[in-house]
Amino acid sequence: AQKITQTQPGMFVQEKEAVTLDCTYDTSDPSYGLFWYKQPSSGEMIFLIYQGSYDQQNATEGRYSLNFQKARKSANLVISASQLGDSAMYFCAMRGSGGSNYKLTFGKGTLLTVNP
Amino acid sequence: AAGVIQSPRHLIKEKRETATLKCYPIPRHDTVYWYQQGPGQDPQFLISFYEKMQSDKGSIPDRFSAQQFSDYHSELNMSSLELGDSALYFCASSLGAGGPYEQFFGPGTRLTVL
Repeated sequence: AQKITQTQPGMFVQEKEAVTLDCTYDTSDPSYGLFWYKQPSSGEMIFLIYQGSYDQQNATEGRYSLNFQKARKSANLVISASQLGDSAMYFCAMRGSGGSNYKLTFGKGTLLTVNP
Repeated sequence: AAGVIQSPRHLIKEKRETATLKCYPIPRHDTVYWYQQGPGQDPQFLISFYEKMQSDKGSIPDRFSAQQFSDYHSELNMSSLELGDSALYFCASSLGAGGPYEQFFGPGTRLTVL
């Protein structure tokens, strides 16, 4: 079974500062993928970044980077230069490998508020 | 770029009624997933299809059924609706089921059961 833990129900950050959202995971799959999604108050799920378990380098997408520490089973999302529009719920999710494990398992989410 | 289309976007039903949610994946995507997100909750996997065959099943009530058609669109049928079925229902699609293929989510259908 796969499990995602997000220990920060809410986070606050000042505009233009960087923020790290924590995510730890547990799986017995040798191969897996880790995802971060953003969900604004309007409800849509927006894909941000992906990290494969065998990727040697941390994933980056614009202002988003994923701090992947495999031995610690953590996949923290770093948002640099926060903007007011970054205020949203952020979900960490995992996908396993093989057969029935392609579904996404989500954490409980972190509500990020960016203050002006 | 084309995105996942879901219809309707909003749906209001009475208890014990039926509802059908539709999902049109991104062109050439062969895998469809359905998720249910209750108020203040994280999305929960319901069911998935790969090449028109059911590929995985999660915590989907027996009152719900789904299928993927020859044009790859999918429908989620919900019968004997209960108050607890009120939720945001997402459809996601991907090209292939594994590998570095992110799941692209549709805008969701917000179902309210009165």
